[in-house]
Amino acid sequence: AQSVSQHNHHVILSEAASLELGCNYSYGGTVNLFWYVQYPGQHLQLLLKYFSGDPLVKGIKGFEAEFIKSKFSFNLRKPSVQWSDTAEYFCAVIRFGSARQLTFGSGTQLTVLP
Amino acid sequence: EAGVTQFPSHSVIEKGQTVTLRCDPISGHDNLYWYRRVMGKEIKFLLHFVKESKQDESGMPNNRFLAERTGGTYSTLKVQPAELEDSGVYFCASSQARDRGNTEAFFGQGTRLTVV
Repeated sequence: AQSVSQHNHHVILSEAASLELGCNYSYGGTVNLFWYVQYPGQHLQLLLKYFSGDPLVKGIKGFEAEFIKSKFSFNLRKPSVQWSDTAEYFCAVIRFGSARQLTFGSGTQLTVLP
Repeated sequence: EAGVTQFPSHSVIEKGQTVTLRCDPISGHDNLYWYRRVMGKEIKFLLHFVKESKQDESGMPNNRFLAERTGGTYSTLKVQPAELEDSGVYFCASSQARDRGNTEAFFGQGTRLTVV
């Protein structure tokens, strides 16, 4: 079965530190890749997505992610985090040709200390 | 434009009772999905509607769960009778038809269900 792995359950950083959250998936075919974020008390929001083309995708709020097909990875990065980035981050995959449902990783809680 | 809305935001019920969750998708979105997150675990797919038809209900845990989407608009998810392990956050998401190109799913805030 297809699975998505997020290696870090909880990450604590100070403001201005750089961030990288790992995401690996197990499916070998064509996939669409997503990072979602859930701020405290809010709904899940799309940060960025990869469908095709340039494997380095830029999202909202200064986030970016790089799709490395050979490593089945889609890591999320931000060069300098802010306190307002404190949230839970979810990596998700849609298998091409499927019914379009998302398969999520278990989430990473990011806490940014002021 | 209104987003995906879910009702109620929280529900606390006793084991054996019935609860009905509602989701109003973004107007014009044919695809409607239900997901669930049990505490500490990943968000898992429950089922997918295309308009009023169930496209995929492979994620529904058992026959205590019944989802409907009358007229292809809002959807309800009924749990009857509820069990302790049904506690979690139930998310609804909607997206446009696949041939529209943009298949981004928009999520509601979720319904936190607690069964005691």
